[in-house]
Amino acid sequence: EVQLLASGGGLVQPGGSLRLSCTVSGFTFTNYAMNWVRQAPGKGPEWVSSISASGADTYYADSVKGRFTISRDNSKNTLYLQMNSLRAEDTAVYYCAAHRSGQSVYFDYWGRGTLVTVSS
Amino acid sequence: EIVMTQSPATLSVSPGEGATLSCRASHSVSSNLAWYQQRPGQSPRLLIYGASTRATGIPARFGGSGSGTDFTLTISSLQSEDYAVYYCQHYTNWPLTFGQGTKVEIK
Repeated sequence: EVQLLASGGGLVQPGGSLRLSCTVSGFTFTNYAMNWVRQAPGKGPEWVSSISASGADTYYADSVKGRFTISRDNSKNTLYLQMNSLRAEDTAVYYCAAHRSGQSVYFDYWGRGTLVTVSS
Repeated sequence: EIVMTQSPATLSVSPGEGATLSCRASHSVSSNLAWYQQRPGQSPRLLIYGASTRATGIPARFGGSGSGTDFTLTISSLQSEDYAVYYCQHYTNWPLTFGQGTKVEIK
């Protein structure tokens, strides 16, 4: 069974930092590029960042570029998102999602999501 | 950035009836279009990619069509589990963007 378990969310003050993790099982992690997609309350999903299967290539939405860093540890089947200089508008449920390496970027698998709330 | 616009925002449909959902892109995305279903409290689930190819395990009552800027998701006969929010997403270039969603509710 495919499972993507995101964790690390919580309440953080504006300007603070948080590190999200996503642990994967049920498929060969190194065959998949990985992504973070967020969804603010009552809104549609918003793509945040993507990383290639090897980790060599990364991509970011303009809204998070320079503040967020995506990375992965293929030995641990784990994806990360380091979030710095957090703003109120970063408040959302953050999902990790996977797509096959070499495939176009639509999301075959989604995790359950972890809630990030940025508030003082 | 390509803007994806979905209509209508809400669609009221009786069980067993069909539904047609629209998605329009601000620039051509060719056939680089996916559809997702999101049930309340759940993560999105891939339904359609390549504008018209059903993902693994998706019932045949879900169909996708269109290319360029105009796309349609058709549900031929609504089942109880189909009442959800549906999103389109283009993947022609960065940044990837989603539509704001169409909620399919029980009439």
